[in-house]
Amino acid sequence: NAGVTQTPKFQVLKTGQSMTLQCAQDMNHNSMYWYRQDPGMGLRLIYYSASEGTTDKGEVPNGYNVSRLNKREFSLRLESAAPSQTSVYFCASSEINSPLHFGNGTRLTVT
Amino acid sequence: KNQVEQSPQSLIILEGKNCTLQCNYTVSPFSNLRWYKQDTGRGPVSLTIMTFSENTKSNGRYTATLDADTKQSSLHITASQLSDSASYICVVSGYAGNNRKLIWGLGTSLAVNP
Repeated sequence: NAGVTQTPKFQVLKTGQSMTLQCAQDMNHNSMYWYRQDPGMGLRLIYYSASEGTTDKGEVPNGYNVSRLNKREFSLRLESAAPSQTSVYFCASSEINSPLHFGNGTRLTVT
Repeated sequence: KNQVEQSPQSLIILEGKNCTLQCNYTVSPFSNLRWYKQDTGRGPVSLTIMTFSENTKSNGRYTATLDADTKQSSLHITASQLSDSASYICVVSGYAGNNRKLIWGLGTSLAVNP
């Protein structure tokens, strides 16, 4: 009963490098989300996908791209990492008006 | 401006004691209010979700209340256990135009000491 699985768990990048954060859910949820969590700030939505084949910007989309590969998988890409993108990234999935189910996060440091 | 404010910011209690966490919000229009528990190094886990017509909802030793008139919610933890040490986050679902939006509080950090 995996729920939401995120990889990798930890990553260190140099400024300008690129990487993709992977997320997969096995609950057959339609909606998937990417959030970032920083000290002293509430979770902030980066991008979301209301259903397979659609993606929309959240509050803080600059510097990120996403792909809803299929109903299970939703990836987040940093094309050119910046120190301001040092954060903990959470993927979540849900049905409408139902609780979000979160993965355990990717801890990203950009030096 | 849509906001969710939680108090206290942090709290220390002894194992076995009860505690109450507060959440005030200014989100309008309102859809529902959620409480999440986040253990250190883990993702948030849902405790309760309440619509405006629900005054109270329980999940084991956790009881959430909602007063939609005063825009206040509380989370009461009964007979605390060491495993209750975590951050508790209040989240309000509202609307921004035609889009549903979740507004996250900063959380209350609870430490339960033996």
